[in-house]
Amino acid sequence: QVQLVQSGAEVKKPGASVKVSCKASGYTFTNYYMHWVRQAPGQGLEWMGIINPSGGSTSYAQKFQGRVTMTRDTSTSTVYMELSTLRSEDTAVYYCARSNASPMIRWFDPWGQGTLVTVSS
Amino acid sequence: QSALTQPASVSGSPGQSITISCTGTSSDVGSYNLVSWYQQHPGKAPKVMIYEVYKRPSGVSNRFSGSKSGNTASLTISGLQAEDEADYYCCSYASTSVLFGGGTKLTVL
Repeated sequence: QVQLVQSGAEVKKPGASVKVSCKASGYTFTNYYMHWVRQAPGQGLEWMGIINPSGGSTSYAQKFQGRVTMTRDTSTSTVYMELSTLRSEDTAVYYCARSNASPMIRWFDPWGQGTLVTVSS
Repeated sequence: QSALTQPASVSGSPGQSITISCTGTSSDVGSYNLVSWYQQHPGKAPKVMIYEVYKRPSGVSNRFSGSKSGNTASLTISGLQAEDEADYYCCSYASTSVLFGGGTKLTVL
């Protein structure tokens, strides 16, 4: 079955960087786009950006431009999201989510299980 | 770009129907039939319930339906069941980005 498995929880200090992984299985990795969405404690969902696993092209939400980098490794069907210059407001659960292979996003399915990133001094 | 607007909470009794609204602008909800809805139970990842305004993925109950008029999309859940109690988020394609609503907590009384 289609599955996205993310890396484990992280605790980081302000100013540090974090890199979260998302390993895909059960489908052809390069045939679908991948997104990162985060959810702060008790808050709603926030889209961070998209990566096309086929060519590696990316597009980031304006809010995160300059701080986020999304990459992929086609040999292991894994996408990565690195967020730098962390601050306390970045404390959140980070999800990867697969979408249709088009810049016009129709759906997100499935989602990874989520990775809690805690930023604290 | 601002988040889409949803009511913070709705409630209904078992067997009743409820509707959750999602208001955007002519640049997102109003421009594209690319609205989707996600159900999220506490501590779990979101799950797609509706996509492209009204389409249901395989396995999703036909008690869930979607619609859109102008800049506002709606999710209707009929025949409410206890298991429907969850947070619901709308989502819209918006040119170079994706917008989510703030979420609606559904309580089944």
